[in-house]
Amino acid sequence: EVQLVESGGTLVQPGGSLRLSCAGSGFIFSSYWMTWVRQAPGKGLEWVATIKLDGTEKYYVDSVKGRFTISRDNAKNSVDLQMNSLRAEDTAVYYCARGAWGAFDLWGQGTMVTVSS
Amino acid sequence: DIVMTQTPLSSPVTLGQPASISCRSSHSLVHSDGNTYLSWLQQRPGQPPRLLIYKISNRFSGVPDRFSGSGAGTDFTLKISRVEAEDVGLYYCMQATQLITFGHGTRLEIK
Repeated sequence: EVQLVESGGTLVQPGGSLRLSCAGSGFIFSSYWMTWVRQAPGKGLEWVATIKLDGTEKYYVDSVKGRFTISRDNAKNSVDLQMNSLRAEDTAVYYCARGAWGAFDLWGQGTMVTVSS
Repeated sequence: DIVMTQTPLSSPVTLGQPASISCRSSHSLVHSDGNTYLSWLQQRPGQPPRLLIYKISNRFSGVPDRFSGSGAGTDFTLKISRVEAEDVGLYYCMQATQLITFGHGTRLEIK
């Protein structure tokens, strides 16, 4: 089955760190750009970070630059999001998404990150 | 940064009637490669988003043909020819011409 499965979301204190992971299966993972998108409670979708096929290019939304790092391991069919210096406004469901034709054609179910003391 | 503006914010529609959602970008979405990377996503309650339309008007696999996309440059439209109960949810436009930006979403509800 073609799918993406996120993991790693939890409750973390402000200033803390967290690493999210997304495992892909059922498709050739190394053939796709991968992206993290988040959705704060009751809010819309916000792009967070994108990584190229081979990991040589990475892009971030301004609000997470210098705090978040996207990486991938094509041998393990996974893409990670390392989140440091977390803030209350980072509280959201984080989705992993596969890029194709300039769109996101496959989404995971999401993992919840709550930043609170 | 490209800003995506969707209208309306909410759209109450009668079952079986058409619905239309507009999306306007602050800059042209025509990429240097000639493509226009404007897509539409649906998010049903409690579900992750789902791709409906890519590159303005291409229906994604499995999407019913009552969904259609049109537009060019900075103005785009998603149309549902006859709304069904399962269409209830949030609809987002998204541009991927210059990084990625989403519209704020349009809530489709049944009257």
